[in-house]
Amino acid sequence: EIVMTQSPATLSLSPGERATLSCRASQSVGTNLAWYQQKPGQAPRLIISGASTRATGIPARFSGSGSETVFTLTISSLQSEDFAVYYCQQYYKWPPLTFGGGTKVEIK
Amino acid sequence: EMQLVESGGGLVKPGESRRLSCVASGLTLSLYSMNWVRQAPGKGLEWISYISPSSSTIHYADSVEGRFTISRDNGKNSLYLQMNSLRDEDTAVYYCARPYSGMDVWGQGTTVIVSS
Repeated sequence: EIVMTQSPATLSLSPGERATLSCRASQSVGTNLAWYQQKPGQAPRLIISGASTRATGIPARFSGSGSETVFTLTISSLQSEDFAVYYCQQYYKWPPLTFGGGTKVEIK
Repeated sequence: EMQLVESGGGLVKPGESRRLSCVASGLTLSLYSMNWVRQAPGKGLEWISYISPSSSTIHYADSVEGRFTISRDNGKNSLYLQMNSLRDEDTAVYYCARPYSGMDVWGQGTTVIVSS
């Protein structure tokens, strides 16, 4: 099983600041890596697939990078609607499909 | 607009069974594989099951193997999860989701609470 590890667990930032979220895989997943945003009481929403491709309707301030075992999600300038929990997920080697534990981006 | 709507959640006692449904609109479910993903209260996301379009390939997470059964009725554009021998730790919001470079379409979830 590929273990996905996200850091930090919580990121406290102000609107307008840059957010950098990390995700590490226990073995290479190539670029078969997705990022999701989840707000309280809502289903997850796909924001990045293929490690760096924004999903339909996702603003350009969201960007993904990385390959193999190290990945980054960057939000260039945080907007109020971006404060949420973010999860990474690998879909390279499965079953099982595996998610990271999540990073909560909260208002400082 | 593509939409998935889950139903069937509720309060059940340990050891009991429950069947969840996921109905699709705006997409032809028969063309796609589907997943079930769950989220325990205050916890992260856990993939639990996968089914291919023709039901020829099915996978389960170890945590539910032997207790849960995924199935689909393409004629009804529907996906199901039969959950037997429920445990306290199965308490969660259950989502159906379409796997497509990750999972690109999700339902709103249905909550299952297992408690005596």
